[in-house]
Amino acid sequence: QVTLRESGPALVKPTQTLTLTCTFSGFSLSTSGMCVSWIRQPPGKALEWLALIDWDDDKYYSTSLKTRLTISKDTSKNQVVLTMTNMDPVDTATYYCARMGGAAAAFDYWGQGTLVTVSS
Amino acid sequence: EIVLTQSPATLSLSPGERATLSCRASQSVSSYLAWYQQKPGQAPRLLIYDASNRATGIPARFSGSGSGTDFTLTISSLEPEDFAVYYCQQRSNWPPDFTFGPGTKVDIK
Repeated sequence: QVTLRESGPALVKPTQTLTLTCTFSGFSLSTSGMCVSWIRQPPGKALEWLALIDWDDDKYYSTSLKTRLTISKDTSKNQVVLTMTNMDPVDTATYYCARMGGAAAAFDYWGQGTLVTVSS
Repeated sequence: EIVLTQSPATLSLSPGERATLSCRASQSVSSYLAWYQQKPGQAPRLLIYDASNRATGIPARFSGSGSGTDFTLTISSLEPEDFAVYYCQQRSNWPPDFTFGPGTKVDIK
């Protein structure tokens, strides 16, 4: 079955760079049509899409955050990595990775999320 | 950027009642509209994709409709486990961009 799991630091200091890893199983990111995204959710607030990488290694970013984000994949390890630079307390959120598979423009499988707090 | 608005912000209903949730896009998204359910402490769960297609394992009481800028999620008869927050999400065709609505909370009256 398809599973995704996020990992990374629970606490980062302002101005630091955050690195998050999504480790997945049950599908291959080299299969045509497969994509993995990062999405975040500040406490008590709505979801915000951050970035997406597809099977062909094309990368897409949120317009408002693109200067701070980098997404990459390691197909052999079944991992997708997100880095976000210059972290600020407003970036405190639960960060999710999610799969977009096939023709549907929707995220059909999600990780459980990882809470990242930005504080000195 | 396409903005999604959801109404109402909160819907207070009793089990067995019908729930009708609205999502409006600031410009046409064709049928690239999805709905998710989120319960406290959990990741979102995909309910509906491409405006009207139920995701795998989703009960038939959930249905979606609409196209262009106006979309509706209907829960025909609320079960106790349906009380949650519901988000709509759109995908722009090119370049790929995704936005979520602010959510509608369905709570117990």
